[in-house]
Amino acid sequence: AQTVTQSQPEMSVQEAETVTLSCTYDTSESDYYLFWYKQPPSRQMILVIRQEAYKQQNATENRFSVNFQKAAKSFSLKISDSQLGDAAMYFCALLGGQNFVFGPGTRLSVLP
Amino acid sequence: EAGVAQSPRYKIIEKRQSVAFWCNPISGHATLYWYQQILGQGPKLLIQFQNNGVVDDSQLPKDRFSAERLKGVDSTLKIQPAKLEDSAVYLCASSLASQGEYEQYFGPGTRLTVT
Repeated sequence: AQTVTQSQPEMSVQEAETVTLSCTYDTSESDYYLFWYKQPPSRQMILVIRQEAYKQQNATENRFSVNFQKAAKSFSLKISDSQLGDAAMYFCALLGGQNFVFGPGTRLSVLP
Repeated sequence: EAGVAQSPRYKIIEKRQSVAFWCNPISGHATLYWYQQILGQGPKLLIQFQNNGVVDDSQLPKDRFSAERLKGVDSTLKIQPAKLEDSAVYLCASSLASQGEYEQYFGPGTRLTVT
């Protein structure tokens, strides 16, 4: 069975600072995808960033970047220059085979 | 490009009543997912369709939940009879699931309250 673990239920960051959200996973698939999703309060879940497991280069999308450590099965999300609009639940997700698994989420607060 | 549409957005019912949710995925997306998201938790997969066939329904409580995706486009999820613990947000998502495009796109969800 595939699993996704997010060990930080809650995190906070000062506006304009950098924060890193942790995610570890387990899968027996050799080919898989990893994602970070953002869910603002009472709003729609949206994709933040994706990473193909076969790619060694870490994905980057503007202020969002990942640190993908395949051997350690770790997939952390770094948010640079944090903004008030970054406050949300962040979910790490794994797609292996045809199975999509979400982690329990990390609630990020951004302090002005 | 239109996103994933869901209706209704909110529903309040009494326990033992029935309810149905509707989802229209992004055009061309072969894979459709229904999730249950209880407040403060991550989404839990209920059922996954590939076109009009079921790929995974292992976590669907089949004694009360049913889902269909006729013609491989839109889908309905039904609960009958509802229990208090079914109070949650029901999310629909779709994915192209090919050509390297595997991410899911989510609808706004239906918030169900069972009293």
